Amino acid sequence: DIQMTQSPSSLSASVGDRVTITCRASHGISSWLAWYQQKPEKAPKSLIYAASSLHSGVPSRFNGSGSGTDFTLTISGLQPEDFATYFCQQYNGYPYTFGQGTKLEIK
Amino acid sequence: QVQLVESGGGVVQPGRSLTLSCVASGFTFSNYGMHWVRQAPGKGLEWVAVIWSDGNNKYYAESVKGRFTISKDNSKNTLYLQINSLRAEDTAVYFCAKNPCSTSCYFDYWGQGTLVTVSS
Repeated sequence: DIQMTQSPSSLSASVGDRVTITCRASHGISSWLAWYQQKPEKAPKSLIYAASSLHSGVPSRFNGSGSGTDFTLTISGLQPEDFATYFCQQYNGYPYTFGQGTKLEIK
Repeated sequence: QVQLVESGGGVVQPGRSLTLSCVASGFTFSNYGMHWVRQAPGKGLEWVAVIWSDGNNKYYAESVKGRFTISKDNSKNTLYLQINSLRAEDTAVYFCAKNPCSTSCYFDYWGQGTLVTVSS
């Protein structure tokens, strides 16, 4: 199985800040990587697919990059609604696997 | 707009069976692959199973293989997950999720989830 390792596991930031979350795959996955946002007691929402493509309706302050084994999610100009948990996920092959999540909290 | 509504969760004794449903609307259900993903309380996300649009290609996580069966009824726009021989470690919120492709790719829309609690 492909292991997905996210860092950091938690992060404190202020409104307006720029933050970066990284995700590393144990094997190369080309660009078959997605990012999701999840708020407490809610379903995840799609943010980015194919490593860098924005899902419909997602604000342009979200940016994804990377290929192979190393990926990043950058949020520029944090808004209050961005404080949530973020997961990366590879869909290069089965079983699909997720990172353990990064909890973004308000400083 | 795309809507996915799960149901069928509840408190179930170990060893018993349960069938979860996910009713889809807002898109042509028969054209897309569909998944089940679960999340144990306070934990991360775990992919469970996928069924391609053709209904014939199905793949499972090793942890559920042989006990879980994914299926769908295109006439009812409904995805199912039959769970047999329930174990305590199956306790989780179960989400259905849609692919934006006919086979399998990422998840573009998710349902709100249904909670399965395995307890005696």
